[in-house]
Amino acid sequence: DAGITQSPRYKITETGRQVTLMCHQTWSHSYMFWYRQDLGHGLRLIYYSAAADITDKGEVPDGYVVSRSKTENFPLTLESATRSQTSVYFCASRKGRTDTQYFGPGTRLTVL
Amino acid sequence: AQKVTQAQTEISVVEKEDVTLDCVYETRDTTYYLFWYKQPPSGELVFLIRRNSFDEQNEISGRYSWNFQKSTSSFNFTITASQVVDSAVYFCALSEASRDDKIIFGKGTRLHILP
Repeated sequence: DAGITQSPRYKITETGRQVTLMCHQTWSHSYMFWYRQDLGHGLRLIYYSAAADITDKGEVPDGYVVSRSKTENFPLTLESATRSQTSVYFCASRKGRTDTQYFGPGTRLTVL
Repeated sequence: AQKVTQAQTEISVVEKEDVTLDCVYETRDTTYYLFWYKQPPSGELVFLIRRNSFDEQNEISGRYSWNFQKSTSSFNFTITASQVVDSAVYFCALSEASRDDKIIFGKGTRLHILP
């Protein structure tokens, strides 16, 4: 039972490059989320999806793009990475609206 | 408005001591859910417990126990006979049934268990 996985786990990139972080869950959960975790800011929601082909903005969506063509995948793309996007990114999923949310292992992204 | 406050930023205790992590929440919903997550030094976020607003029964799971009191809007977490492996950041979180977007996390309490 793989659960929820993220790839890559670590990524170093340069300012201006496009980067895609992958998230895959095997539970067929309807809801999926992307958070970033930064010192002093805690966990902040970037985007979420209530079902395939439905996405919505969270607190800090600027500079990020998401898509969800399949229930199990929820990739997060940084179209033109900036140093302020250096962070740890967590993907999460939950079955239904009020169910428990489970997190992936995280991706540590460094933008030079 | 949704809000979760973990007033204790950092706590240090000696191994085998009991420790309580405080969590106070604010919500206008009558139906809501409270969570605790653990983030060990390895970085992953591990789900510990979920309670709904209609269930005020305290819960015990091994050395962990949770005290939910609606009267004081608190959902405190106690570790009995702490161990070094309990060292982590612990997050309290709240979700409201009326919203499907996110759960609100507290800032976390960093717990150090000293050998």
